[in-house]
Amino acid sequence: EPEVTQTPSHQVTQMGQEVILRCVPISNHLYFYWYRQILGQKVEFLVSFYNNEISEKSEIFDDQFSVERPDGSNFTLKIRSTKLEDSAMYFCASSESGGPASTDTQYFGPGTRLTVL
Amino acid sequence: AQRVTQPEKLLSVFKGAPVELKCNYSYSGSPELFWYVQYSRQRLQLLLRHISRESIKGFTADLNKGETSFHLKKPFAQEEDSAMYYCALSGMDSSYKLIFGSGTRLLVRP
Repeated sequence: EPEVTQTPSHQVTQMGQEVILRCVPISNHLYFYWYRQILGQKVEFLVSFYNNEISEKSEIFDDQFSVERPDGSNFTLKIRSTKLEDSAMYFCASSESGGPASTDTQYFGPGTRLTVL
Repeated sequence: AQRVTQPEKLLSVFKGAPVELKCNYSYSGSPELFWYVQYSRQRLQLLLRHISRESIKGFTADLNKGETSFHLKKPFAQEEDSAMYYCALSGMDSSYKLIFGSGTRLLVRP
């Protein structure tokens, strides 16, 4: 069964450094999402992406964050200048469509644990 | 405000006992409700959604719009049900982002 994959599984970086988290969504999916989960807290929506543009973003997704689909398979989340509070598990998800139908289940990747020192 | 509340952080039951994981929501439009499960060292995966009205692994959940609840139930818990369970909602009328509750850890003891 196809799965969403994410790399790396764990990223350690220094405060102020740029990081790029990578995701390969399921191949026929059209909608892509990033969520994050700070340790001990809820899974929070960051951004959704469709047709090569951001559909929606949360207030967490400020100017330090950006997303890109550089080719036909990858979907990336970039944090330009990491802060300590960016330490979290970042989940990528994809769905075939974005509507209330059986095909719009969001499938999650295993996550990337980002640690900012 | 859009919100999902799971009041229990931990629910511990013995094998064979009934289970009910509580979920209440607040949403001004037409919500779609989901239960996601995360087994140890595995990814978040969809368990069930109210729109499909399915029973998955013996679990069921009924959307009660009057009480704004979507509690997850199973009549006889199994040890393999031990996992983290997240209730989530998305808007059928606009945004498809998922809004998650804080999760309930279910521990089924032998």
